[in-house]
Amino acid sequence: DTGVSQDPRHKITKRGQNVTFRCDPISEHNRLYWYRQTLGQGPEFLTYFQNEAQLEKSRLLSDRFSAERPKGSFSTLEIQRTEQGDSAMYLCASSLRASGEVDEQFFGPGTRLTVL
Amino acid sequence: DQQVKQNSPSLSVQEGRISILNCDYTNSMFDYFLWYKKYPAEGPTFLISISSIKDKNEDGRFTVFLNKSAKHLSLHIVPSQPGDSAVYFCAASEGGGSEKLVFGKGTKLTVNP
Repeated sequence: DTGVSQDPRHKITKRGQNVTFRCDPISEHNRLYWYRQTLGQGPEFLTYFQNEAQLEKSRLLSDRFSAERPKGSFSTLEIQRTEQGDSAMYLCASSLRASGEVDEQFFGPGTRLTVL
Repeated sequence: DQQVKQNSPSLSVQEGRISILNCDYTNSMFDYFLWYKKYPAEGPTFLISISSIKDKNEDGRFTVFLNKSAKHLSLHIVPSQPGDSAVYFCAASEGGGSEKLVFGKGTKLTVNP
């Protein structure tokens, strides 16, 4: 399967713990996005990378959140000192940015985080 | 402030009939619109898109209509099939290099056999 993959699919943690999620995009895609989805809502943009550069961050991404994309391949999203309000589905998407075109984003299955 | 609104949380139609899903937006800077379909336990899957320079785009059973003056778009599915049962999200982008998507809350479509 050459789609976007995310690991783990589910994570249960206690409040105050740190968690890290991984996303592997489609191999030739140069853009990678992170979104968060809570119950009854659509996905909300968190941040995106073009290659290894993080180009935009939402105000939703507090100081406890950090994302990296070393070498422009896979990406990690870390949440420090988790809070119950962080419980959500974290979605990763990737796309191939072609000049002059708006790119279709392909989503992974998501990581469901539950903070107890 | 919801920039993309899907005011119908759910829609139920009979197999073979037309499904019409609606979406309104408030940000006049949006210039690209997309529909995604989502099954339980899966990520959203791209369905169809439309640029603001067009008012209609068709792909098989799916057609998206855009009314820029009303800031409204709709997705028509004809004929509807039971496998179309899913949550449908409307999304919009300002383009200009970012393409970050702003999503609505979704409409759950149920197609009854």
